[in-house]
Amino acid sequence: EAQVTQNPRYLITVTGKKLTVTCSQNMNHEYMSWYRQDPGLGLRQIYYSMNVEVTDKGDVPEGYKVSRKEKRNFPLILESPSPNQTSLYFCASSPGMISGNTIYFGEGSWLTVV
Amino acid sequence: GESVGLHLPTLSVQEGDNSIINCAYSNSASDYFIWYKQESGKGPQFIIDIRSNMDKRQGQRVTVLLNKTVKHLSLQIAATQPGDSAVYFCAENSSGTYKYIFGTGTRLKVLA
Repeated sequence: EAQVTQNPRYLITVTGKKLTVTCSQNMNHEYMSWYRQDPGLGLRQIYYSMNVEVTDKGDVPEGYKVSRKEKRNFPLILESPSPNQTSLYFCASSPGMISGNTIYFGEGSWLTVV
Repeated sequence: GESVGLHLPTLSVQEGDNSIINCAYSNSASDYFIWYKQESGKGPQFIIDIRSNMDKRQGQRVTVLLNKTVKHLSLQIAATQPGDSAVYFCAENSSGTYKYIFGTGTRLKVLA
């Protein structure tokens, strides 16, 4: 089954404790991206990657890092989480981002930073 | 999963009626649009898309209308069912860019 898989789905952590949210897709997609979703706001892009070893900042990259060492994986790293990073996070992938390529989303990761 | 939708406009419809959900998009250069459905606790699911060279596209029980003059997009759901209850949001993209802009969404509630 074609899918985007994120882990963990739910996490409560403390301020400053490094964490990684993993993302894997099995569709051989070139493009992957991370978004956060907050009440009253649309999905906001954190980072994206157009292919292996190619990453770039989205609209809200502060406090986050990513890596793309393999085509299928695109982990999101919070080196020193803060409470304002409490959010619902989505990983997404697409065959390529020339206009007209649908984005497929993972099921989301609820992160709470206390 | 509910807290994401707390501040969203809500459309309540009777089961069996038609639903119309609207979206005003922001970029006049956008030429590709998608509607997503997001159920509580789940990721957004693709419903239907449309390119700017069309003004209407139909799927199974869903129709998307595009009015480029006023930068407006709508999603029509025929014979709304309880399983249609979710948050619906639009996304826009312009050719050659790697960026999508997502709307904040509308919550659809289906009344029995």
